[in-house]
Amino acid sequence: EVQLLESGGGLVQPGGSLRLSCAASGFTFSSYAMGWVRQAPGKGLEWVSTISSSGDYTWYADSVKGRFTLSRDQSKNTLFLQMNSLRAEDTAVYYCAKDSGRSGWYFDYWGQGTPVTVSS
Amino acid sequence: QSVLTQPPSVSGAPGQRVTISCTGSSSNIGAGYDVHWYQQLPGTAPKLLIYANNNRPSGVPDRFSGSKSGTSASLAITGLQAEDEADYYCQSYDRSLSRVFGTGTKVTVL
Repeated sequence: EVQLLESGGGLVQPGGSLRLSCAASGFTFSSYAMGWVRQAPGKGLEWVSTISSSGDYTWYADSVKGRFTLSRDQSKNTLFLQMNSLRAEDTAVYYCAKDSGRSGWYFDYWGQGTPVTVSS
Repeated sequence: QSVLTQPPSVSGAPGQRVTISCTGSSSNIGAGYDVHWYQQLPGTAPKLLIYANNNRPSGVPDRFSGSKSGTSASLAITGLQAEDEADYYCQSYDRSLSRVFGTGTKVTVL
């Protein structure tokens, strides 16, 4: 059974940093691209970032480019999202998601999410 | 900033059929990229409902179906049930923005 367990969310002041983790199990982690999607309170889904299966390539939404860094540790089956220079508009629930591995660029499994609040 | 537009809400009585539209452009759906749909029940994480325009993952009831034409796509729910009350999002790929989501539609069962 595929499981994605996010952690690391919390309250941080504007301009601060936070590192989210996503522990994956139930599939061959190193064979799949992974990503993060966020959802601001009462709002819709927003794609944040994706990393290739090898970790060699990363893609970011314009809203986080230059501030967020996505990485993965294949030995620990864990995905990391380093978030710097946080802003109030980054406040959201952050979901870790597994790419399907098929053509079409979609996520087939999602974690339960970890909340991030940026406020003074 | 969503580039795929959905109606904010749709509603229907139990047993009825409802459809949700997802309108894109020539840089995403119209460029030939597949459309996928997710269901988000209240207080839970999104779940894949339809992939590659009209395919259902194992376990998804066949009352859910998808279609795509030109720069738009649609999700249909036939035989609407109380448990279908949720938010629904379409998703595709955009040449400039990578993965993109729709604005989301709240389905209410009357």
